[in-house]
Amino acid sequence: EDQVTQSPEALRLQEGESSSLNCSYTVSGLRGLFWYRQDPGKGPEFLFTLYSAGEEKEKERLKATLTKKESFLHITAPKPEDSATYLCAVLSNSGYALNFGKGTSLLVTP
Amino acid sequence: DGGITQSPKYLFRKEGQNVTLSCEQNLNHDAMYWYRQDPGQGLRLIYYSQIVNDFQKGDIAEGYSVSREKKESFPLTVTSAQKNPTAFYLCASTDRGRKSPLHFGNGTRLTVT
Repeated sequence: EDQVTQSPEALRLQEGESSSLNCSYTVSGLRGLFWYRQDPGKGPEFLFTLYSAGEEKEKERLKATLTKKESFLHITAPKPEDSATYLCAVLSNSGYALNFGKGTSLLVTP
Repeated sequence: DGGITQSPKYLFRKEGQNVTLSCEQNLNHDAMYWYRQDPGQGLRLIYYSQIVNDFQKGDIAEGYSVSREKKESFPLTVTSAQKNPTAFYLCASTDRGRKSPLHFGNGTRLTVT
């Protein structure tokens, strides 16, 4: 059975203090790993898809990386507007739907 | 602009009543999904549909029903058999590519008392 574990559950950063969120996964053949951002009371917003180990993608202050067992979402010099819950999800070779982790709640204070 | 519309945003019902949540998309996507989100838990799959007139149960389908009569629409009915229906419900869609990301609506928060 596919498993996705995100850590930490919650993270508080000062503005400008870089850090990383972790997503560990167990899947029977990875077709894709997805990162989403979710603001309170809203639906998740797509950020990145990673397909194979060694792949990296960047968008503004965010950079996602992938190994065979985990993915990291690196946040460089975060701003308060980066505060949100970040969700990781995997799609396996045999699956038709994404399997989500519980998310990391990020708070960036001025 | 293309997107997914879920309505209403907030829904209140008495215990024992069935309630239907609406989901409409104009992205011309073939596949549609319903997820449930509870505090401290990840998104859990209720039902999904890859084509019109066909749908499959997800991990937590008990107490729910769906229909897919049109490509654009995938309504979810929460029946009185669902033991803990109070939750945030999210509808999503994607195109035929199985590596394509899901696009989500902004959810319906259902409260049953």
